[in-house]
Amino acid sequence: AQTVTQSQPEMSVQEAETVTLSCTYDTSESDYYLFWYKQPPSRQMILVIRQEAYKQQNATENRFSVNFQKAAKSFSLKISDSQLGDAAMYFCAYGRGNQFYFGTGTSLTVIP
Amino acid sequence: DTEVTQTPKHLVMGMTNKKSLKCEQHMGHRAMYWYKQKAKKPPELMFVYSYEKLSINESVPSRFSPECPNSSLLNLHLHALQPEDSALYLCASSQDGTSVTEQFFGPGTRLTVL
Repeated sequence: AQTVTQSQPEMSVQEAETVTLSCTYDTSESDYYLFWYKQPPSRQMILVIRQEAYKQQNATENRFSVNFQKAAKSFSLKISDSQLGDAAMYFCAYGRGNQFYFGTGTSLTVIP
Repeated sequence: DTEVTQTPKHLVMGMTNKKSLKCEQHMGHRAMYWYKQKAKKPPELMFVYSYEKLSINESVPSRFSPECPNSSLLNLHLHALQPEDSALYLCASSQDGTSVTEQFFGPGTRLTVL
């Protein structure tokens, strides 16, 4: 089974500042997808951003961007201009075929 | 419609009860998933249906019985559960079961077993 590691159980950021959440994964495959999901306290899991492994360009969605380092098997999420609504659990996930493997999650607190 | 719905939102049941969780999507997705999630933990995959056929069963106890009556609907039948089965049960769907696209999650059913 693939493993996904999030080494930061908790992070905090001041409102309007930038924070980076780390994720590493282990795979011998070359074709896969990586995702960041957000789960606010209301519990609905929503997709923040996705990255196809064959694409070298880092994905960006508004204030969210990733730093994808394929050789290092690293996939970090940068949140710019943090907002109170960004407070949530963030899960990194690896996907291939119909299998998803989630990391253990990072709980992000946004300080007003 | 990009929504996965789940009913009920909350369920409390005794260890001898039989109940069912329901999940529905109308996005034309052909893969549907059941996950179990404990507080502050990642979702744990239980079952995967691909084109209405069970393709993955992650060694889940037989007291959990999935059913996929059609491509839009997924049920999880519960019988003789244990208190440790109390958790958030999440349903998800994706375009199909072969190529990876993102999974769309429902809001979950909060299950408490007394």
